[in-house]
Amino acid sequence: QVQLVQSGTEVKKTGASVKVSCRASGFTRTSQGVTWVRQAPGQGLEWMGRIGADNRNAKYAQKFQGRVTMTTDAFTRTAYMELRSLRSDDTAIYFCAREWRLNSFDPWGQGSLVTVSS
Amino acid sequence: QSALTQPASVSGSPGQSITISCTGTSSDVGAYNSVSWYQQHPGKAPKLIIYDVSDRPSGVSNRFSGSKSGNTASLTISGLQAEDEADYYCTSYAGSITVVFGGGTKLTVL
Repeated sequence: QVQLVQSGTEVKKTGASVKVSCRASGFTRTSQGVTWVRQAPGQGLEWMGRIGADNRNAKYAQKFQGRVTMTTDAFTRTAYMELRSLRSDDTAIYFCAREWRLNSFDPWGQGSLVTVSS
Repeated sequence: QSALTQPASVSGSPGQSITISCTGTSSDVGAYNSVSWYQQHPGKAPKLIIYDVSDRPSGVSNRFSGSKSGNTASLTISGLQAEDEADYYCTSYAGSITVVFGGGTKLTVL
């Protein structure tokens, strides 16, 4: 069964950093990238960026450039998303998803809640 | 990159058909045949239901269909069922390996 398992809930202070992990299992292909999407409480989905399976070709949404880094570890089949200089409006559920094909994300991780407060 | 425009809400009765629009620009929806749709139930992760404008992943009901005309894509759900009540999001490829999401549409089955 193909699935992505994400790390757990995080509570951070304003200005801190958070690193969310996303471990893949059951995949037969290792050449697919991972995209990251977040959802603030009661809000819609927001694309943050993506990273290639070979840990190259990272692309970030302009809004997050300079504050986010996405990486992958092919040996452990784990992707990571680090967001720095956290603000209260970064409070959200962060999802990873496999880039099954261009602009098509399947499956998704279960989501990781990140709460930022002062 | 601006979000794609979707209606905030739509509703329909069981058995009816509804259509959700997704309007972008000539730089995203209009430029590429790469529009996807996702269904999200409360507290759950999104689920891919349409890709490449009108294709369905294996296992997705054929009651879901997609289309595109110019800068606007559409998702149609026929034979509405109670389980279809959820939030729906469109996405479009926007070039240079970037993606843009729609704001989401809440579907209520009356």
